[in-house]
Amino acid sequence: DAGVTQSPTHLIKTRGQHVTLRCSPISGHKSVSWYQQVLGQGPQFIFQYYEKEERGRGNFPDRFSARQFPNYSSELNVNALLLGDSALYLCASSLETGGDVETQYFGPGTRLLVL
Amino acid sequence: GQNIDQPTEMTATEGAIVQINCTYQTSGFNGLFWYQQHAGEAPTFLSYNVLDGLEEKGRFSSFLSRSKGYSYLLLKELQMKDSASYLCAVIDSNYQLIWGAGTKLIIKP
Repeated sequence: DAGVTQSPTHLIKTRGQHVTLRCSPISGHKSVSWYQQVLGQGPQFIFQYYEKEERGRGNFPDRFSARQFPNYSSELNVNALLLGDSALYLCASSLETGGDVETQYFGPGTRLLVL
Repeated sequence: GQNIDQPTEMTATEGAIVQINCTYQTSGFNGLFWYQQHAGEAPTFLSYNVLDGLEEKGRFSSFLSRSKGYSYLLLKELQMKDSASYLCAVIDSNYQLIWGAGTKLIIKP
């Protein structure tokens, strides 16, 4: 079975540009979460989507937005890129049966470099 | 505020045992995860604890004390491939994952 997939794997942008990152969850998983990980730090929560609805949002500016599609894939959009947005962007999916805690499974990430 | 503390770096010898500690202060607690992350790769799931006590899974074990806000990951019979960062993450009252900065584990022959 395929795991979580993300595209592109690497991306170079310049300040002020916008970027769209894509994620496909594990088949059957209905929830997708996005994280930003700066080198040497743990992941920082950006968004969680479940059944196409935003379930949670971390402490990120409005330049960051996301959405989830009917097939449960997701896009993360970042506008007006800043140098500080350079990071590894991780997507994680979970089953979300409506019960308690679900383990999140991560994709390989998209490494974004803003010049 | 929410805070998760882990040592920044640890060094151990191949074949030995190492314990990586994690202390947390979060708004609510709904469980604690340990993930392994090799350099440049995504985190991979190791363990989940929600009740006090020790969970053993092969060479890896994880312990939780909710009253002390404390967990540890125990790695036995260390192998060179265990060189990685180990991330502690707590699920808060909003069911969001709060992550520590990770502990970089260096294994020496």
